[in-house]
Amino acid sequence: SQKIEQNSEALNIQEGKTATLTCNYTNYSPAYLQWYRQDPGRGPVFLLLIRENEKEKRKERLKVTFDTTLKQSLFHITASQPADSATYLCAIRTNTGTASKLTFGTGTRLQVTL
Amino acid sequence: NAGVTQTPKFQVLKTGQSMTLQCAQDMNHNSMYWYRQDPGMGLRLIYYSASEGTTDKGEVPNGYNVSRLNKREFSLRLESAAPSQTSVYFCASARTGAVSGANVLTFGAGSRLTVL
Repeated sequence: SQKIEQNSEALNIQEGKTATLTCNYTNYSPAYLQWYRQDPGRGPVFLLLIRENEKEKRKERLKVTFDTTLKQSLFHITASQPADSATYLCAIRTNTGTASKLTFGTGTRLQVTL
Repeated sequence: NAGVTQTPKFQVLKTGQSMTLQCAQDMNHNSMYWYRQDPGMGLRLIYYSASEGTTDKGEVPNGYNVSRLNKREFSLRLESAAPSQTSVYFCASARTGAVSGANVLTFGAGSRLTVL
């Protein structure tokens, strides 16, 4: 069966360190993978998209890698800040006929402490 | 720019009651989606609409119906609410429904529904 797996345990790190979150998938061959941020009581917000032919994508302090052989994406936040505390979701597009939809992982909660 | 607007934000229903969640987007997006989010289950797709006039079932469609009223609006209806439908519901939209396109979703703030 198809699965998208993210660590369900919260990740606690100290301010200034690099946070690394993992997204593993099985039985998918996605053309691209996306990362979203969700704060409590709010809807997810898009952060980054990486395509299958891209190994790495960066945006400010964020970096995403995509290994289609390992079927894994890593999401890094460098010089983390308390404001980075949130739940981070990965998502894979799955196609059905002429339509397109995103399937999400369960998310990993990041807590950055002083 | 309002983005994606959902109403109501909160609703309490009794088992068997019906209600409609409303969603509107002002970004001229083609595709619209309804997800539900439950603890430990993540976001699960209920229904989606690739374009005006079309709707398709997602992962968990049972107990729901949808209407794509026009390009802007996509409503979700619970005909006979059940406690298992207690959840947070999110509407989202995306610029393209094309197979080859990259669907980046813009989400609404969510509607918290409790069924007693």
